[in-house]
Amino acid sequence: DAGVTQSPTHLIKTRGQHVTLRCSPISGHKSVSWYQQVLGQGPQFIFQYYEKEERGRGNFPDRFSARQFPNYSSELNVNALLLGDSALYLCASSSWGTGANEKLFFGSGTQLSVL
Amino acid sequence: AQSVTQLDSQVPVFEEAPVELRCNYSSSVSVYLFWYVQYPNQGLQLLLKYLSGSTLVESINGFEAEFNKSQTSFHLRKPSVHISDTAEYFCAVSEGGNKLVFGAGTILRVKS
Repeated sequence: DAGVTQSPTHLIKTRGQHVTLRCSPISGHKSVSWYQQVLGQGPQFIFQYYEKEERGRGNFPDRFSARQFPNYSSELNVNALLLGDSALYLCASSSWGTGANEKLFFGSGTQLSVL
Repeated sequence: AQSVTQLDSQVPVFEEAPVELRCNYSSSVSVYLFWYVQYPNQGLQLLLKYLSGSTLVESINGFEAEFNKSQTSFHLRKPSVHISDTAEYFCAVSEGGNKLVFGAGTILRVKS
C-alpha cells in the first residue's frame, strides 16, 4: 500500500505569491494533519481535518488555510507568502484523528522556498 | 500550553557505543509522549510512545525510553548504536487529536 503522498516535493515561490500543497492520506485514513518544519526546528502543528471538517488549528495567521475533500485528500493553501514561510511542510494521516492511541503516518513533505 | 525541550542539538557518538538523547516536557494534564525519527529527505517515523502503564517503552530496533514523571523527562537510550541510526530524533507530547508539540530535535551522528 502507498504511504502518505505529498506533491510537489519542491517548490520555489516569490514573496506575495500564493501556494497550494497537496496531500493524499493512506488508503482508509480519514484524518489529515499539516505541520510546518522550519530549518533547525521541530515540526509545528498547523491544521487537522477529519471527515472534511477542521478539528484543530495551530497558531498560524489567516493566510494559512486548508480543506479536505470527499476522498480524504487535503490541500494546504498559503496566501501572500513571506520569506519566513520557507519550510518543509509535512502532511500526516491517521485512521480517526482521535489522538495518542492512533499511529500517525507522515509524508516526506513539500520543501517550499520563498525568495 | 505544553512544551518540549531537547537538551542537545547534536550528539556525536562512535559506532557500538551507548547513547542517550535527552527530552524534558512541561504539561499540566495527562501526558502522552513520543519519539519520532527523521532520516534525510524522509518524513517522520514513530519510534516509540508512552501512553500509560509501564514507564519503560521499547522499540523494535533496540531503542528504549523511560517516562519519569517526577523529573518530567522522557529520555531515549540505546545500548549500542549503528551507523544506520544516524538521523534526527524528535521528542513530542500530545495535545489531543493529532496535535503534537515537538522539540527542536537532536541530530545523532554515529561515527565509525
